[in-house]
Amino acid sequence: QSALTQPASVSGSPGQSITISCTGTSSDVGSYDLVSWYQHHPGKAPKLMIYEGSERPSGISNRFSGSKSGNTASLTISGLQAEDEADYYCCSYAGSSTLVFGGGTMLTVL
Amino acid sequence: QLHLQESGPGLVKPSETLSLTCTVSGGSISSSGYYWGWIRQPPGKGLGWIGSIYYSGSSYYNPSLKSRVTISVDTSKNQFSLKLSSVTAADTAVYYCARHAVGTMYHFDYWGQGTLVTVSS
Repeated sequence: QSALTQPASVSGSPGQSITISCTGTSSDVGSYDLVSWYQHHPGKAPKLMIYEGSERPSGISNRFSGSKSGNTASLTISGLQAEDEADYYCCSYAGSSTLVFGGGTMLTVL
Repeated sequence: QLHLQESGPGLVKPSETLSLTCTVSGGSISSSGYYWGWIRQPPGKGLGWIGSIYYSGSSYYNPSLKSRVTISVDTSKNQFSLKLSSVTAADTAVYYCARHAVGTMYHFDYWGQGTLVTVSS
């Protein structure tokens, strides 16, 4: 069970859109529509942003959206804002009641 | 509002057992349909799932840690616990407890703030 692959960092200017990819295998991301995304400001509790691939929890801005193609899931943030600067992690169900996280992506708002 | 708080020693010696407790407030840990989990983040690295336990006591572990991990639940104290045996420096990490969304173990909807555990002699 290897960690999902995310880019180490992405950046964008306020108002722009960015996309963070999360690449797994046919045993995890590719087999299930069960990818979740978490926003993590260092020193604070991670926050659920997307679940089941594209669903937003109550209270999460519609600027955040999720999608999947094959073995790669993606998180898109539109209308980038300064407060979006954080680390983002994907997580996928990997079968047999196990989960696997991605390595994390640091988002910088320029 | 649900609140989760990790507690336990911040320093553990190599080869010993790391023990942490997560105290849940604002809700019952024995509420039907909830799983409770542990996740860790080594310094400078990403999150890693350690394992989860159903409110009834059924537990599920990361295959890479399974031989060293035990997660248990104490409904009388509204707590669940993590034990990780034979620790090494590689187990140094911030440890988070979290609740899975109701009826599923596929994602976490509430997290604790995390607690740093250092493995060192």
